[in-house]
Amino acid sequence: QVQLQESGPGLVKPSETLSLTCTVSGNSISSYYWNWIRQPPGKGLEWIGYIHYSGSPNYNPSLKSRATISVDTSKNQFSLRLSSVTAADTAVYYCARDLHYFASGIWGYWGQGTLVTVSS
Amino acid sequence: EIVMTQSPATLSVSPGERATLSCRASQSVSSNLAWYQQRPGQAPRLLIYGASTRATGIPARFSGSGSGTEFTLTISSLQSEDSAVYYCHQYNNWPPGNFGQGTRLEIK
Repeated sequence: QVQLQESGPGLVKPSETLSLTCTVSGNSISSYYWNWIRQPPGKGLEWIGYIHYSGSPNYNPSLKSRATISVDTSKNQFSLRLSSVTAADTAVYYCARDLHYFASGIWGYWGQGTLVTVSS
Repeated sequence: EIVMTQSPATLSVSPGERATLSCRASQSVSSNLAWYQQRPGQAPRLLIYGASTRATGIPARFSGSGSGTEFTLTISSLQSEDSAVYYCHQYNNWPPGNFGQGTRLEIK
């Protein structure tokens, strides 16, 4: 059974870098595409980006190059770094796996989400 | 950018009845449309993809239809556990794709 679990600081100061990790169990990270998606409190969902262990990551242009996604196959984890954060980056951050073996944009498996608040 | 518009914003339906949720795209997304259910405090759950294909483990009372710019999610025989926000997501223009703003379904 595929399980994803986000971890990282729940509070980040403005202008600093948000860092989150997603630990995957029940599935090798050396297959499928792995995504980050976020949801500001009380609002809708926004795709941040994805990575495949063998290829370059792909990001939502709306983040203006602030996002970096990387993968650690030895730990079966992938990570998100978001630089120069502001209050607008306050959100629940989800990691998710693509349903198919290619980057389909359909997410069949999700972590439970972690709330990150940007505040001084 | 393709804009996804969901209606209504809120829907209140009695148990055992049918709920019909709509999603409209500002331009054609073919059948590249998914529906997600998000219960309070939970992560989204994939219900439907390809406009009409149910995801694994999703009950048959959830059905999706449509193509192009008009899509519908129908939930028959409503149960209390169906109370949630439902999002449509187009992945025709992918990446990045984009979501609708959601429909909140309340069970009376």
